[in-house]
Amino acid sequence: ETGVTQTPRHLVMGMTNKKSLKCEQHLGHNAMYWYKQSAKKPLELMFVYNFKEQTENNSVPSRFSPECPNSSHLFLHLHTLQPEDSALYLCASSQEGSGSSDTQYFGPGTRLTVL
Amino acid sequence: GQNIDQPTEMTATEGAIVQINCTYQTSGFNGLFWYQQHAGEAPTFLSYNVLDGLEEKGRFSSFLSRSKGYSYLLLKELQMKDSASYLCAVKDSNYQLIWGAGTKLIIKP
Repeated sequence: ETGVTQTPRHLVMGMTNKKSLKCEQHLGHNAMYWYKQSAKKPLELMFVYNFKEQTENNSVPSRFSPECPNSSHLFLHLHTLQPEDSALYLCASSQEGSGSSDTQYFGPGTRLTVL
Repeated sequence: GQNIDQPTEMTATEGAIVQINCTYQTSGFNGLFWYQQHAGEAPTFLSYNVLDGLEEKGRFSSFLSRSKGYSYLLLKELQMKDSASYLCAVKDSNYQLIWGAGTKLIIKP
């Protein structure tokens, strides 16, 4: 399998549930990202990991908890979410996490609906 | 604040040419990216500009003017499969990508 994969593709959860999103990249990259994409809004960067170390947390609520066990895998743990958290969650990876031409490659996303 | 502006939606005819504009105000500039995103799919990388001028890749070209804070994506010989959203993003002085809201392009036969 190549590129960036995400599971599940669709998730419906109640506000009291706990679930996790998984991302895996097969590109040999060292940086991984979580984004939130809401309709007609710009992509919102949530977290950045570089060589498994978190380098960015853009004021994301604590009900979202990232985990990066190695450079190829990234998780987003979800608990006590709110309906406004319903969105498409995109994972991306890039070679080095910095530099002008460092290009991000995206997975297909998880469509999350919070009831 | 940092801002990327692009039209919300555009319509064009199959076989024609369309230009999607992007203007930006960011703290620093370290390159501009264009991505294509079909509904329900991953954004896919189209082009990268860091110097002024035109970069051509087949039917797609991207132009940059740093002095004007302006870029455009030019799509030639439009095909129905080009119906998608086109995202403009700029790397700021911290090498963080600042994203536009995207332009939804509708191609009509």
